[in-house]
Amino acid sequence: QVQLQESGPGLVKPSETLSLTCTVSGYSISSGYYWGWIRQPPGKGLEWIGNIHHSGTTYYNPSLKSRVSISVDTSKNQFSLKLSSVTAADTAVFYCARQYSSGWYVNYWGQGTLVTVSS
Amino acid sequence: QSVLTQPPSASGTPGQRVTSSCSGSSSNIGTNTVSWYQQLPGTAPKLLIYSNNQRPSGVPDRFSGSKSGTSASLAISGLQSEDEADYYCAAWDDSLNGLVFGGGTKLTVL
Repeated sequence: QVQLQESGPGLVKPSETLSLTCTVSGYSISSGYYWGWIRQPPGKGLEWIGNIHHSGTTYYNPSLKSRVSISVDTSKNQFSLKLSSVTAADTAVFYCARQYSSGWYVNYWGQGTLVTVSS
Repeated sequence: QSVLTQPPSASGTPGQRVTSSCSGSSSNIGTNTVSWYQQLPGTAPKLLIYSNNQRPSGVPDRFSGSKSGTSASLAISGLQSEDEADYYCAAWDDSLNGLVFGGGTKLTVL
């Protein structure tokens, strides 16, 4: 059974960098698929942030590309998100996810973690 | 403003058939396949439909998807109270080179 679990600080100060890690169990990241991040501001819809393949290939949302970095650590079966220069508008539930490249649908989601940007 | 357009709300009574639309453009729905997600209150989204009309294992056949041109549709037949949720469509956008979502449709079971 594939499981994804987000971890990281729940509170980040404005202008700082948000950092989250997703730990995958039940499947080896090195075996394939793309591994990504999706966020959902409180009471709003879903926004795709970006994803990464174990080979290092990445895709980013153009609206966030200048502030986003996604990396993978196959030895720990984890992948991570860094979002720099955060503002209150970045407050959201962040989900890590597994995407299938044929169709790019998300077939596994983490439970989500709320990150609040506030001083 | 979402790249894919969904009606903000929909409703139906138990047993009824309801549909929800998702409108896009030639760079997303017109070229690539559509997926649908169900998000129950307070939970992570769940894959409902992929590749326009395919159901993952475990999803009841009451849920079906279709696509025509630059639009897609989700249908739920035999509506049940537990279907009350937010529903999102998504597709890859070749111009943006990224996954785009609709704004979501909140389904109320009356």
